[in-house]
Amino acid sequence: AAGVIQSPRHLIKEKRETATLKCYPIPRHDTVYWYQQGPGQDPQFLISFYEKMQSDKGSIPDRFSAQQFSDYHSELNMSSLELGDSALYFCASSPPLVTSGAPNEQFFGPGTRLTVL
Amino acid sequence: AQTVTQSQPEMSVQEAETVTLSCTYDTSESDYYLFWYKQPPSRQMILVIRQEAYKQQNATENRFSVNFQKAAKSFSLKISDSQLGDAAMYFCAYRSMESANFGNEKLTFGTGTRLTIIP
Repeated sequence: AAGVIQSPRHLIKEKRETATLKCYPIPRHDTVYWYQQGPGQDPQFLISFYEKMQSDKGSIPDRFSAQQFSDYHSELNMSSLELGDSALYFCASSPPLVTSGAPNEQFFGPGTRLTVL
Repeated sequence: AQTVTQSQPEMSVQEAETVTLSCTYDTSESDYYLFWYKQPPSRQMILVIRQEAYKQQNATENRFSVNFQKAAKSFSLKISDSQLGDAAMYFCAYRSMESANFGNEKLTFGTGTRLTIIP
């Protein structure tokens, strides 16, 4: 079965540089979530999109921006990178809302490991 | 805001034995979902089990089961017949059921418990 694809898997940048992370959700999934997991930390929610519109926002720095495109893939743009941005960035996607009362499962991608030097 | 607490940073268990990982949470909501995710060394996040708060019956998935105590806001994970492949970081997570809009289903994670399996 198709899974969430994230690219690149590893990225090394210098301070003050810019990075773009990409997420390709499972086909027919319309919702995308971004999480940041620092070293030894739990994942923290950054931002989410539903049907190409931003639907929720967490602790995302103003230096970061994101969008979801017409094909439902999403990109997280990070500017003026800082050492503290070094983390594993997860993208998760979920299918259209079900009406059975069961929660929409979020399917996680393998993550992009960003290292800022 | 909801918070999730995992008070056991590390746990270990003998292979084939049973282990219980603890999780407590704080919320003012009455309807919500709770999850346990496993993160092995590959760092992939894998859903282990989920529980809907309105269901009194504890969820079970093969060797994994939960003890959900809504009044106490407790959600522990029991792993029976532990296997070497169970070694991982385990995260407890909360998701609100009272989302007004689609896409408002973010997960709030605890700090995790690292589980070691002793052969």
